[in-house]
Amino acid sequence: DVKVTQSSRYLVKRTGEKVFLECVQDMDHENMFWYRQDPGLGLRLIYFSYDVKMKEKGDIPEGYSVSREKKERFSLILESASTNQTSMYLCASSFAGGAGTEAFFGQGTRLTVV
Amino acid sequence: GNSVTQMEGPVTLSEEAFLTINCTYTATGYPSLFWYVQYPGEGLQLLLKATKADDKGSNKGFEATYRKETTSFHLEKGSVQVSDSAVYFCALRPNDYKLSFGAGTTVTVRA
Repeated sequence: DVKVTQSSRYLVKRTGEKVFLECVQDMDHENMFWYRQDPGLGLRLIYFSYDVKMKEKGDIPEGYSVSREKKERFSLILESASTNQTSMYLCASSFAGGAGTEAFFGQGTRLTVV
Repeated sequence: GNSVTQMEGPVTLSEEAFLTINCTYTATGYPSLFWYVQYPGEGLQLLLKATKADDKGSNKGFEATYRKETTSFHLEKGSVQVSDSAVYFCALRPNDYKLSFGAGTTVTVRA
């Protein structure tokens, strides 16, 4: 079974802290994604990586950065956490096999910034 | 740009009722279309997909047909169960591989 593992299920951080959310996949997938999920807004793409060290901005990259030094790991960084970044964060991965390729999701990290 | 619009919820049904969740999309080119489901406390998982016009995806009694002429991918199930209570997301993926989602529809099925 494909496994996408996010390092924490719940996280509480203070405003202004630097926050790291980690995601690891075990299926040698080329593509990895970070989304945030908010009620009524669905999933919004923050960043997308199509290969090691390669990244593209998604729809809402402001306030976030990412790192992909190894193929299996994709990190989301909140440089200076703010309360409006309180959300559920979802990581996903997939093969680069074309538009019809399925993406697999982690369990999510619920981040609260106080 | 690419976008997905799905019917707003929440939707509450009785067991064995018919379920339809509408989904329409805007995209350049020929995207693949997906329905993902999120059960309470879990991550998203693929329910079904269709990769070209007139394809029908099906799984667990759910069906959706890729209609290019109406840019739609409506999800249907003929007889829902309590275990179908979940949040359903319509999604599209064009050739640049970025997967875009709708807002999600919460479905509650009562016994």
